[in-house]
Amino acid sequence: AQSVSQHNHHVILSEAASLELGCNYSYGGTVNLFWYVQYPGQHLQLLLKYFSGDPLVKGIKGFEAEFIKSKFSFNLRKPSVQWSDTAEYFCAAHGSSNTGKLIFGQGTTLQVKP
Amino acid sequence: EAGVTQFPSHSVIEKGQTVTLRCDPISGHDNLYWYRRVMGKEIKFLLHFVKESKQDESGMPNNRFLAERTGGTYSTLKVQPAELEDSGVYFCASSWWTGSTGELFFGEGSRLTVL
Repeated sequence: AQSVSQHNHHVILSEAASLELGCNYSYGGTVNLFWYVQYPGQHLQLLLKYFSGDPLVKGIKGFEAEFIKSKFSFNLRKPSVQWSDTAEYFCAAHGSSNTGKLIFGQGTTLQVKP
Repeated sequence: EAGVTQFPSHSVIEKGQTVTLRCDPISGHDNLYWYRRVMGKEIKFLLHFVKESKQDESGMPNNRFLAERTGGTYSTLKVQPAELEDSGVYFCASSWWTGSTGELFFGEGSRLTVL
């Protein structure tokens, strides 16, 4: 069955610390991968996406993610977090034949302490 | 450009009552999706409209849920009668075209509490 798994449900960091949020997927065939973020009181918005090509994807606000096919992983990273990065982060996937039917991970709440 | 808007932002009803959630997609977006997040769980797909047609409704939990998109513009999701397990946040999203590279634009969600 298709699934997306996020390892950390709640992460607490101090400002300037480095961030890595884990995401693994189980998907037959070609997969497209996404990271969405939901800031408090706001809508879900796209951080970055991977469809093909360079497995290191850069997104908005200094975030990046690396697609490692052999590990079925798409971890999100940021070298130095800020208090404004406090939010919930969602990894998601869909197959190339599926349009818009995203499979989401459980979400990771990131709390950055000033 | 206005984003995806959802109404109401929060609804509290009693078990057995009816609730209708509304979603206005971004103008010109043919694709409209409903998702739901039950507390503590992952966001799950409910259904997908292309214009006014239901493309995929495989995620609809049961026949107490009815989604419509008359005229291919806004959409409504009606829950009748509501049960306790229907509580959660209902997200609407829209996108330009039916293609695997299409980014979904989400609304802020409608939080439903069934007492």
